[in-house]
Amino acid sequence: DARVTQTPRHKVTEMGQEVTMRCQPILGHNTVFWYRQTMMQGLELLAYFRNRAPLDDSGMPKDRFSAEMPDATLATLKIQPSEPRDSAVYFCASGLATGGLGANVLTFGAGSRLTVL
Amino acid sequence: AQKITQTQPGMFVQEKEAVTLDCTYDTSDQSYGLFWYKQPSSGEMIFLIYQGSYDEQNATEGRYSLNFQKARKSANLVISASQLGDSAMYFCAMSSGGGADGLTFGKGTHLIIQP
Repeated sequence: DARVTQTPRHKVTEMGQEVTMRCQPILGHNTVFWYRQTMMQGLELLAYFRNRAPLDDSGMPKDRFSAEMPDATLATLKIQPSEPRDSAVYFCASGLATGGLGANVLTFGAGSRLTVL
Repeated sequence: AQKITQTQPGMFVQEKEAVTLDCTYDTSDQSYGLFWYKQPSSGEMIFLIYQGSYDEQNATEGRYSLNFQKARKSANLVISASQLGDSAMYFCAMSSGGGADGLTFGKGTHLIIQP
């Protein structure tokens, strides 16, 4: 089965440190999403890309978060500087948007659990 | 703006019983999609079932079916013959069109299947 691969699976860091999370989407998928999951807020869309171009990052705190897709096999989410409130599970998901009416089912990675002390 | 409401934070169900997980939605879009995902304790998000707003038949996938009532804006998930392995968080989500621009998720329902 094709999978979305995320690294690291777990990260514990101290406040103020830079954190980079990486995602390898499924080969052939043209849309990549970053979601954040917390107990309080649930699943929130942070940003997404289509054909490597950023389409929407309105859900992302701009002052400290940045998302990039340097090539079709890698998406990154960076937090600098990290804060305790950033502690969450960060999911990457990929899908194939065809422009038709059919479902663009997203396949999620296993998530990166971030703890900022 | 889209909104998903799941009113059942938690549910306990006896093994082999059928279970219905509630989901209501709000959108001004004419074309939209409704999804259900399962999140077991291991944390991954697993796609279960999809219903398009123009689909006349309710979607089914094995033991999962989606009870779509467009006029009531509800998209309940029905699991028949529940199994212990069905214990998990279940999320209802919606999208504009087919989901190409991402999903809006509800808060989820924690389902526990009891032997």
